[in-house]
Amino acid sequence: RKEVEQDPGPFNVPEGATVAFNCTYSNSASQSFFWYRQDCRKEPKLLMSVYSSGNEDGRFTAQLNRASQYISLLIRDSKLSDSATYLCVVNSRGFSGGYNKLIFGAGTRLAVHP
Amino acid sequence: ETGVTQTPRHLVMGMTNKKSLKCEQHLGHNAMYWYKQSAKKPLELMFVYSLEERVENNSVPSRFSPECPNSSHLFLHLHTLQPEDSALYLCASSHLGGQGTDTQYFGPGTRLTVL
Repeated sequence: RKEVEQDPGPFNVPEGATVAFNCTYSNSASQSFFWYRQDCRKEPKLLMSVYSSGNEDGRFTAQLNRASQYISLLIRDSKLSDSATYLCVVNSRGFSGGYNKLIFGAGTRLAVHP
Repeated sequence: ETGVTQTPRHLVMGMTNKKSLKCEQHLGHNAMYWYKQSAKKPLELMFVYSLEERVENNSVPSRFSPECPNSSHLFLHLHTLQPEDSALYLCASSHLGGQGTDTQYFGPGTRLTVL
């Protein structure tokens, strides 16, 4: 089983749509969770961290369900500029004061069309 | 954004060449990372340097040799590579200790093609 699994997509949605991405992780000791965004042929950039209580940043909402080892990202009112690959990222071990090893999912591709 | 820079941005090399990739971070971080991203595959962690000491070598072939002379600079020395080593090589940095220690910031990457 992959450590971090995502639906590869692509998700093709019209502008203004709401789209949700899901991610599951296998290591129950994971403590930190993130969504990164990667544009074509560019580097990944942090979109948002995911907190236990869920968190929102403008049109983006992230949720964490530790019991099910499940993370989600909801994008409301999609824009053309949201077209990218969204990477689910999980800390592969509990934070121990040392460095933290991040495991990246393969990404979910989103294409927003006019 | 120039927090993490990488040079060169593109590199084409033959299998017998020796080349080096360079990464520099201007964020005051104390950990640096090399990742490999092949087409349609997740990012693969290659090496981690924490406080200039290598703490992770993720079963990477010896034809890849990292070097971290100080906390701001990271190199990846390449020799006798194979065509399957063609990929995007990404450098990242983070700050260990304190809040948000997991957040890694990436450079723009070096797109490597091995002929």
